[in-house]
Order: sequence, then C-alpha cells, then structure tokens
Amino acid sequence: GAVVSQHPSWVICKSGTSVKIECRSLDFQATTMFWYRQFPKQSLMLMATSNEGSKATYEQGVEKDKFLINHASLTLSTLTVTSAHPEDSSFYICSARGLAGGSTDTQYFGPGTRLTVL
Amino acid sequence: SQQGEEDPQALSIQEGENATMNCSYKTSINNLQWYRQNSGRGLVHLILIRSNEREKHSGRLRVTLDTSKKSSSLLITASRAADTASYFCATGFSGGYNKLIFGAGTRLAVHP
Repeated sequence: GAVVSQHPSWVICKSGTSVKIECRSLDFQATTMFWYRQFPKQSLMLMATSNEGSKATYEQGVEKDKFLINHASLTLSTLTVTSAHPEDSSFYICSARGLAGGSTDTQYFGPGTRLTVL
Repeated sequence: SQQGEEDPQALSIQEGENATMNCSYKTSINNLQWYRQNSGRGLVHLILIRSNEREKHSGRLRVTLDTSKKSSSLLITASRAADTASYFCATGFSGGYNKLIFGAGTRLAVHP
C-alpha cells in the first residue's frame, strides 16, 4: 500500500513552453501533497505544500506564478512549470501524506519527474 | 535555512561493515525521519523516530535521536552492496501540515 505515482517520469521541452506534472496517490486519500525540487547530487528542497480544495502554500523564494499547483482531488495534485527555461531543468518529486494505514507523519514519495528544458 | 546537515557527505565501506551517518538540525522538531534514495529515483521511507523517543530499530537499521544536541544517527549493520544509495534525514514539524525539511544527505557506497 501507500503508492504514489508521477507522470511523466521524464520530459524534454523547448524553452518558453509549459509542462504539467501529475502526482497521484494510488491506494489512499492524500489530504496533503508536497512538491520538491532536487538538483544533481543535492538534497530535496521543498517548493510548496498543497491541500485538496485550497490554495498551495509556497516556500520562500518559490515563484507562485511560475510553479502553478492544483490539488483538485484527494488523489491528484499537479505542478505546472510555466514558460520553462533551462534553469528550471531539475528532478521534481512529489509526496503525499494521508490516511495510508500508517502514521500521518509519514510522507510517501513518488518516483520523480526529470525535466529538461532545451 | 532550516535545512539540517549530515555527515559524512560521502562514505565508502566494504560489505559486512557497519555504516554510521549523522544528522544535525537547528529547530525544535516533532519527529525525524530517514529516507533512502537510489540514484535518480524516488525516496523510500526507512524509519520515523518521534521527539520523545531515543532509539528505534528496524531490521539492520538503528536510529538514535538526541534532542538536547539536536542530532540523530542512522546505523546500518552488516552492510550489503544493495545498500549503496543516498540517505537523507528529514525533520518533521507539528505545524505547517507536517512538512519535512531535508538534510544534505550522505552518499553511501558499499563495495563487494
């Protein structure tokens, strides 16, 4: 149990285009989902926290208009990178927290999406 | 930044040896969690220790927490080549939807 999927697993796009990444909790309802960004050989940096039906809470320094987050249901959150530029190239990872049978303090992570902007 | 620090940044050992990784953090926490990440993959949750706990075991893993020193350690006993991965500690807070702040990570290489 407690499986989180992400789609796509990798994407290459041209500079200036927008890219949408989906995060789904497959076998539990996620009351909260988190989006992280990870550069090569570095740690995960929390970008934003999203709760179903409400606006996302962004960490300091993260542009809300550039990284649009929608948490439309208890099993789906999306991250849209708008007008992507090469510096947005990174590994984006989502996690979900909810009633998965274990501690609600535990976050279950998706496999990540590697974004490359040309 | 609230991000904690981990040491060592990299650790290289032989199979069968024990591996110890340390994590320090800066603020009061609700819990501390350890995660594993294979190269270019997602994170796997290893163990969670609450602020009122001092030690926890899971299989070959042993985690300690010293809230007075704001530090934790992860011990992997009898390491295997399959343990090769990056290990991250993450501190959890009672507010802010239980968000996690990750440490810098330790890259562990276990040689056959």
